[in-house]
Amino acid sequence: SSELTQDPAVSVALGQTVRITCQGDSIRSYYASWYQQKPGQAPVLVIYAKSKRPSGIPDRFSGSRSGNTASLTITGAQAEDEADYYCNCRESSGNLVVFGGGTKLTVL
Amino acid sequence: QVQLQQWGAGLLKPSETLSLTCAVYGGSFSDYYWNWIRQPPGKGLEWIGEINHSGSTNYNPPLKSRVTISVDTSKNQFSLQLSSVTAADTAVYYCARRDSSWFIYDFWGQGILVTVSS
Repeated sequence: SSELTQDPAVSVALGQTVRITCQGDSIRSYYASWYQQKPGQAPVLVIYAKSKRPSGIPDRFSGSRSGNTASLTITGAQAEDEADYYCNCRESSGNLVVFGGGTKLTVL
Repeated sequence: QVQLQQWGAGLLKPSETLSLTCAVYGGSFSDYYWNWIRQPPGKGLEWIGEINHSGSTNYNPPLKSRVTISVDTSKNQFSLQLSSVTAADTAVYYCARRDSSWFIYDFWGQGILVTVSS
């Protein structure tokens, strides 16, 4: 089955820019979406269709795709952005779903 | 505003069957796929499976032999059954709505911690 690979942990200084990546074969065919999860809470969608943001998500969040890699970029990271981030995509077959292992973002 | 409210038993013994239900309030029930996703303590998200209003299902292959997802359109509810549970099935279980167009999870339930312990 298809897999999505994320770095387990990333850190960023307050106000700086950070990129979180997600690699997998299915990303060549389908857009990834990105979810933010804070402790004890359900995940929240932050980016989909490469770089669309749901209502209420700050514009410092953006997305991109190159080859088999999707990226989530936070430009000017804030303390409240400290969270786990998960990518998600269809599997190559098209009917199944796969999540990345998650990236813990620390804002220093 | 769409809300997903889930309930079910939170403590099971090994070999028992996990049973959870999720009720959907607001929005269309027929235009989406309805999903179950779980998260073991301290670990990442794992997709379990999904169903639409007509009962069409997709399951995660590693779990397929033990999973049944069903739907009750008269109540706008869907349910998860996971048989022969073990300690490895201990997790927070979420229900979620999947948008068909963009393949995104835009609304989630509150999550339920299900613990399997003898």
